[in-house]
Amino acid sequence: SQTIHQWPATLVQPVGSPLSLECTVEGTSNPNLYWYRQAAGRGLQLLFYSVGIGQISSEVPQNLSASRPQDRQFILSSKKLLLSDSGFYLCAWSHTQERAFFGQGTRLTVV
Amino acid sequence: GQQLNQSPQSMFIQEGEDVSMNCTSSSIFNTWLWYKQDPGEGPVLLIALYKAGELTSNGRLTAQFGITRKDSFLNISASIPSDVGIYFCAGFHGGATNKLIFGTGTLLAVQP
Repeated sequence: SQTIHQWPATLVQPVGSPLSLECTVEGTSNPNLYWYRQAAGRGLQLLFYSVGIGQISSEVPQNLSASRPQDRQFILSSKKLLLSDSGFYLCAWSHTQERAFFGQGTRLTVV
Repeated sequence: GQQLNQSPQSMFIQEGEDVSMNCTSSSIFNTWLWYKQDPGEGPVLLIALYKAGELTSNGRLTAQFGITRKDSFLNISASIPSDVGIYFCAGFHGGATNKLIFGTGTLLAVQP
């Protein structure tokens, strides 16, 4: 069966520090991968999605970037965090037009 | 970023009542998905719909893919306290087939 792992679960980082969040999928190949951000009590905002290694579509221009160095690995990064980068970050995978499954999320607090 | 219009924004009901929420879009979607999210957790998939007009049930939950492909609804019958959470619709956009867009969410509170 397929599983998706996301870490760390929580992270407190100072303003101006770098960020790296990792997401990996097991049990499937060539998944579509997604990064979302969720502000408290709000909906899920699509940040990036990827249909293959090295292929990244950016939805919202901002302080973040994404990379897909391997088929089942998706990384969310920032060179210098801002206070406004705080939020709940969620990774998801799917096959095209089919059901999508989420990781447990990373709670990021920028202080 | 793009989001689907979901209503109502919140619902406060008594245990045993039925609940209905819906999602609309100005453009066509090829797949509709319904999720439930508990606090501090990732969304969990409840129902997936793939064809216009499709009606699918999962226990006390029933969802339909609108005929126009621009809307979907979710019904919960005989609500119980553990139904509390935020419910999201989501869809794969017809034009950009790999883009998964989410609704704004419906917060459900159930009073025992």
